[in-house]
Amino acid sequence: KQEVTQIPAALSVPEGENLVLNCSFTDSAIYNLQWFRQDPGKGLTSLLLIQSSQREQTSGRLNASLDKSSGRSTLYIAASQPGDSATYLCAVRDGSGGYQKVTFGIGTKLQVIP
Amino acid sequence: GAGVSQTPSNKVTEKGKYVELRCDPISGHTALYWYRQSLGQGPEFLIYFQGTGAADDSGLPNDRFFAVRPEGSVSTLKIQRTERGDSAVYLCASSSPGRGEQFFGPGTRLTVL
Repeated sequence: KQEVTQIPAALSVPEGENLVLNCSFTDSAIYNLQWFRQDPGKGLTSLLLIQSSQREQTSGRLNASLDKSSGRSTLYIAASQPGDSATYLCAVRDGSGGYQKVTFGIGTKLQVIP
Repeated sequence: GAGVSQTPSNKVTEKGKYVELRCDPISGHTALYWYRQSLGQGPEFLIYFQGTGAADDSGLPNDRFFAVRPEGSVSTLKIQRTERGDSAVYLCASSSPGRGEQFFGPGTRLTVL
């Protein structure tokens, strides 16, 4: 059974700082990994999708890396802004079998202080 | 529409009642997922549809929960004899074939009194 862990559970940083959020998973036979942000009381917004054959993806100030063999992904946020404050969730899609179950971590709650 | 939509946005019901939650995926997306999210937790997988069929319903907690997608587009999650423990936000996501990127709706907040 796939298990996804996100560390830290919460993070508070001053504006402008670069930061790294971590996601680890127990079964390396994945199809892809997706990072989301969730604002309070809202749905999930897709940030980056990394296929199992890829090592990283970039979008603006965000960079996500994937190391399948070690079961890890990191989300790097450059020059953080108060608008980045949200909960960041990592989701792993299994690659085994005819279907692709998705397992989420519980998220990292980020606060960027002006 | 441009994104995944879910109705109602909020549902308050009494213990023991029946509820239906609706999800309208992005046009052309063949895969549809239902999740349940409790406060402070990540979304918990419930059921996955590929087209009209439920490819994986292993996340449904018990036989009070049922979901359908009769025409391969709109899906309805049905909960019978609701219990207070069913209170949560129910999220729906859809994705296109191949790439597998999920797009989520805003969710339905279910409160069972």
